[in-house]
Amino acid sequence: QSVLTQPPSASGTPGQTVTISCSGSSSNIGRTTVNWYQHLPGTAPKLLIYANDQRPSGVPDRFSGSKSGTSASLAISGLQPEDEADYYCEAWDDGLNGVFGGGTKVTVL
Amino acid sequence: QVQLQQSGPGLVKPSQTLSLTCAISGDSVSSNTAWNWIRQSPSRGLEWLGRTYYGSKWYYDYAVSVKSRITVTADTSKNQFSLHLNSVTPEDTAVYYCARGYHANGWSPWGQGTLVTVSS
Repeated sequence: QSVLTQPPSASGTPGQTVTISCSGSSSNIGRTTVNWYQHLPGTAPKLLIYANDQRPSGVPDRFSGSKSGTSASLAISGLQPEDEADYYCEAWDDGLNGVFGGGTKVTVL
Repeated sequence: QVQLQQSGPGLVKPSQTLSLTCAISGDSVSSNTAWNWIRQSPSRGLEWLGRTYYGSKWYYDYAVSVKSRITVTADTSKNQFSLHLNSVTPEDTAVYYCARGYHANGWSPWGQGTLVTVSS
């Protein structure tokens, strides 16, 4: 049972916008920033968004993040076939340290 | 460009110690950042295990779930850091990753991952 709650799946057609939610509590998302990771099968997870809404260099601006209260979200606009992957949110929890969501599998229809 | 290369056995017997090493290139283990261990299993998902970082001395933080069994060490002479998890059970079967960074800036990059199976 993951500390942060994500929907298990999301889908969209190419060009659409897909939004993934991440729900936490006052001891994690409510007190720290949220990071998002993209995980393709057989590869290492890749940092997609840090500090709620910051993109590392090289990450397309189709990916955007936001946070409000104890929830955060990741939006993928202009969905592309190569975006099909698992996406994880992550926050720092007071007492538990790093905590993750259970992951959302994005399917491009 | 920072790269992390993991090494270690893929099979560990129950009750023994799981040990993995992460060799760093493009950065120094004693630089102003943290070095983390994270694992992923079907039953537990992604789980942060622990980290070490240097700030006039070495510091260590561990997840509550493994705090009694885990040790993370740094070797400045080899520019690498290691994970030691003792008294393993089949529940510790997972893909283990090393990763650079503090939570505030995100963990990047990650090592290639090592599947460790705990079985007799």
